[in-house]
Amino acid sequence: DTAVSQTPKYLVTQMGNDKSIKCEQNLGHDTMYWYKQDSKKFLKIMFSYNNKELIINETVPNRFSPKSPDKAHLNLHINSLELGDSAVYFCASSQDWGSGEFGETQYFGPGTRLLVL
Amino acid sequence: ILNVEQSPQSLHVQEGDSTNFTCSFPSSNFYALHWYRWETAKSPEALFVMTLNGDEKKKGRISATLNTKEGYSYLYIKGSQPEDSATYLCAFKGWAAGNKLTFGGGTRVLVKP
Repeated sequence: DTAVSQTPKYLVTQMGNDKSIKCEQNLGHDTMYWYKQDSKKFLKIMFSYNNKELIINETVPNRFSPKSPDKAHLNLHINSLELGDSAVYFCASSQDWGSGEFGETQYFGPGTRLLVL
Repeated sequence: ILNVEQSPQSLHVQEGDSTNFTCSFPSSNFYALHWYRWETAKSPEALFVMTLNGDEKKKGRISATLNTKEGYSYLYIKGSQPEDSATYLCAFKGWAAGNKLTFGGGTRVLVKP
């Protein structure tokens, strides 16, 4: 069983379209994250939800909107896609958001490779 | 803006040799330092979470040390094997950061048979 899964794995779309990426974790974790791997291959945090509540919201264009219908899911919706949105997006989860060493370990999904043409 | 740097960016190691590389991070406001191993086409996998100055952690042939006063951590690979080839990421967490991790750029290790 995959612990953290993302769909789709690959997404090729046109500029201006709206698209969603889904993330699900079956680890029973309370906290989930979205990261973007930028052009220099750095992993940069975008959002974090703890028990369906937004706790981290980095400086991300408001075309990006996360949604957490329940604590096992964190989806990322992107409006009006731009060329610069092309990247790999990783979802991750952790037991909680900072109660100690073991609670903090983050488990990553396989990534979604988004290409905007 | 937090500065988390890893060096070198990449290194080649002969199978059987040992190697080490560095992660440097802000020495103030330290809460935790994470190490992840990231194989090509896979997801980053947690290796260690280190919280105390002087911490040493070990997992098989991989170990890490932590110096929070001077703001650095070393990761060591003893007797490198081809399956150790991966990018090794460190990530810094400060106090009052929620669980926000700031990642370094990684050290890409290639072990040659």
